[in-house]
Amino acid sequence: GENVEQHPSTLSVQEGDSAVIKCTYSDSASNYFPWYKQELGKRPQLIIDIRSNVGEKKDQRIAVTLNKTAKHFSLHITETQPEDSAVYFCAATGRRGGYNKLIFGAGTRLAVHP
Amino acid sequence: NAGVTQTPKFQVLKTGQSMTLQCAQDMNHEYMSWYRQDPGMGLRLIHYSVGAGITDQGEVPNGYNVSRSTTEDFPLRLLSAAPSQTSVYFCASSYLENTEAFFGQGTRLTVV
Repeated sequence: GENVEQHPSTLSVQEGDSAVIKCTYSDSASNYFPWYKQELGKRPQLIIDIRSNVGEKKDQRIAVTLNKTAKHFSLHITETQPEDSAVYFCAATGRRGGYNKLIFGAGTRLAVHP
Repeated sequence: NAGVTQTPKFQVLKTGQSMTLQCAQDMNHEYMSWYRQDPGMGLRLIHYSVGAGITDQGEVPNGYNVSRSTTEDFPLRLLSAAPSQTSVYFCASSYLENTEAFFGQGTRLTVV
């Protein structure tokens, strides 16, 4: 079945620095790669996603890159701010049996220090 | 639109008890899923459904049952609660499996 590995598990940066979170996936047929942000005590919410026919996507300070050959994708946050502090999850669609499903990585706890 | 509504928000069960976590969405989404969240282990897929009448197992299905009789509702049943099922449970829905998933508020379950 699909497996998604995420690194690092924790990340601490100074305000204004960049943060990079990396994920690898196992199913070469995966075609959708979203990133979710979960603030303390809240539900996960989508912040950006990318499909397999695109190599990079940007939305203001957030960007995601995808390398299908190596089966890895990364989240880049520039000019980090304290409100970026949260747990970030990557995910990938995978198929085992008849249906596609969304499998998540273990999460990265990002702390942005003023 | 209420989005995805989960009930209850908190629950304490004794070992061996059964219960049903409720999940309802009003967005006419076909795809619904249940995840459990444990520290350091991310969101693990329990069961999911691609439409009314169609369900399948995820990564950690043991001890849980689901059914999908309507598009709106996707309840998760714990058959005989065990301490290992202590977790935060999230229901999610999306138009398809490869579109944005909307999560419910979560249910914090403690089994003693």
